[in-house]
Amino acid sequence: GESVGLHLPTLSVQEGDNSIINCAYSNSASDYFIWYKQESGKGPQFIIDIRSNMDKRQGQRVTVLLNKTVKHLSLQIAATQPGDSAVYFCAENGHQGSSNTGKLIFGQGTTLQVKP
Amino acid sequence: ETGVTQSPTHLIKTRGQQVTLRCSSQSGHNTVSWYQQALGQGPQFIFQYYREEENGRGNFPPRFSGLQFPNYSSELNVNALELDDSALYLCASSPPLAGNIPDTQYFGPGTRLTVL
Repeated sequence: GESVGLHLPTLSVQEGDNSIINCAYSNSASDYFIWYKQESGKGPQFIIDIRSNMDKRQGQRVTVLLNKTVKHLSLQIAATQPGDSAVYFCAENGHQGSSNTGKLIFGQGTTLQVKP
Repeated sequence: ETGVTQSPTHLIKTRGQQVTLRCSSQSGHNTVSWYQQALGQGPQFIFQYYREEENGRGNFPPRFSGLQFPNYSSELNVNALELDDSALYLCASSPPLAGNIPDTQYFGPGTRLTVL
């Protein structure tokens, strides 16, 4: 079946440094990926997405990289701030054959801790 | 523009009872998905509603059911509650589907259900 995994459950960085959060997926047919940020007691908040026809996409202070060869994507956060402290999830759009199922498949999440 | 809203925010039920959770989709979104998030885990897809019909279902028993209304709002009903149903229940809405192309899902704050 499809699965999405993150390499590290916890990442601790110094304020001002860059953060890189990694994610691996299993389904080579996956064509859409989303990164979400979830703060304690809140729902997941959309950060950035990328489709499989792209290798890189940039937002404000965030960059997502997609490597389809090794089925890996990463989220880079520039100049990490205390407000970036949260759990980060990558999600993959589920497929049944070539059809989009409409469901998102989430990884376990990486907790980002920003030290002042 | 109003985001996804959910009610209630918290709920405590006892085993065997039934519960109804409610969701209002973001303005302009006609697709609603429901997810269950256990503590420390990523969200798990329950089902999706599109045009008032179920449009995909995850690995959840039939005692999990739902509805979507003409205004695109939705309900999640869970019968015969079990202790393991304790979780954060998330609703996500997404824009009208364009063919088989997946799109971003935007989440509400969730309903925290505790089953005693």
